[in-house]
Amino acid sequence: EDQVTQSPEALRLQEGESSSLNCSYTVSGLRGLFWYRQDPGKGPEFLFTLYSAGEEKEKERLKATLTKKESFLHITAPKPEDSATYLCAVCTGGFKTIFGAGTRLFVKA
Amino acid sequence: NAGVTQTPKFRVLKTGQSMTLLCAQDMNHEYMYWYRQDPGMGLRLIHYSVGEGTTAKGEVPDGYNVSRLKKQNFLLGLESAAPSQTSVYFCASSPGGPETQYFGPGTRLLVL
Repeated sequence: EDQVTQSPEALRLQEGESSSLNCSYTVSGLRGLFWYRQDPGKGPEFLFTLYSAGEEKEKERLKATLTKKESFLHITAPKPEDSATYLCAVCTGGFKTIFGAGTRLFVKA
Repeated sequence: NAGVTQTPKFRVLKTGQSMTLLCAQDMNHEYMYWYRQDPGMGLRLIHYSVGEGTTAKGEVPDGYNVSRLKKQNFLLGLESAAPSQTSVYFCASSPGGPETQYFGPGTRLLVL
């Protein structure tokens, strides 16, 4: 069964304390892996799409990487405004997209 | 450019009542989607559309119907609401395929 698991469920960081969020997946075929950011009470906001192992994408303090079994979202020197829930999703073909439950990130000043 | 908008923002229904959620996008996207989001679970796809006049079932379609009469609008209907349909509903659109989806602000639905 296709599955996407994100860890940890919640992560508390001090401002400037770099860390990584994990998204592991077991799917029959990977068409693409996506990262979204979701603020409380709002819809998800697209961050990155990764298509193949070894691919990396960066945006400001965020960097997403992909291997054959997992993806990492690295956050460098986070700020309080980076606090949000980060969602990982995998498209396995056609329009079948499986979302993970998300990692809630809290960054304290 | 409003992006994706959803109406209403919040609604309370009694079991057995019906309602329609409206999603509108002004980005001329071909593809539109309806998801539900429940605590501790990932977003789950209810129905989707690959163009005006087309609809298809997603992962959890039971109890819902959809229509895409105009390219910019995607309607989600609940014919007879059940407490299990209490959730936050998100609409999304994309220019081509499931990559880079743009989400609306969500509709919070409570079924008593």
